[in-house]
Amino acid sequence: DTAVSQTPKYLVTQMGNDKSIKCEQNLGHDTMYWYKQDSKKFLKIMFSYNNKELIINETVPNRFSPKSPDKAHLNLHINSLELGDSAVYFCASSRRGESEQFFGPGTRLTVL
Amino acid sequence: AQSVTQLDSHVSVSEGTPVLLRCNYSSSYSPSLFWYVQHPNKGLQLLLKYTSAATLVKGINGFEAEFKKSETSFHLTKPSAHMSDAAEYFCVVSDDNDMRFGAGTRLTVKP
Repeated sequence: DTAVSQTPKYLVTQMGNDKSIKCEQNLGHDTMYWYKQDSKKFLKIMFSYNNKELIINETVPNRFSPKSPDKAHLNLHINSLELGDSAVYFCASSRRGESEQFFGPGTRLTVL
Repeated sequence: AQSVTQLDSHVSVSEGTPVLLRCNYSSSYSPSLFWYVQHPNKGLQLLLKYTSAATLVKGINGFEAEFKKSETSFHLTKPSAHMSDAAEYFCVVSDDNDMRFGAGTRLTVKP
């Protein structure tokens, strides 16, 4: 009965590879998000997305792209991985018009 | 634009003593405010939230926070720390689905 789930939990890969992280929510929420947590634990919003609008944090490189096959999923694709992409990535979701976001368990990405 | 400042990057207390984690915010609107906790190698768990109801908010695990508009603060407190409280704590301000996280405060609890 996990509300927001992410796979994989850990991802170790070589520089230059392309990888995806999946996120699913079973809360019936309209809006989903991706956050990056850096080595100093600071969380930064990367994307927010509902079925009508994608809002991108302008500091996010275009190697990162969210893809939503349906309302319950927002996957994160990363092309040409770089060392600096190593971080923990959190998916979250919320009901439209409500401020509280529910977070997934995180995916720890390590780029070698 | 909204922002949040956690005044201490690290707080260390002894078990059984009070905990105070400080948070100040700025927001153009009436914000919603949250505290999240992250235990080592774990995800984010909501501790409590303020959404313009009672200014004193009670959360899980004995934590509470008081919204003080005049001071633009939302400090997190607990009367008596437990070893299991050791974690990273994030103060968050939200306005219309735009969540801004503080830099986090690492709480250490000494036996």
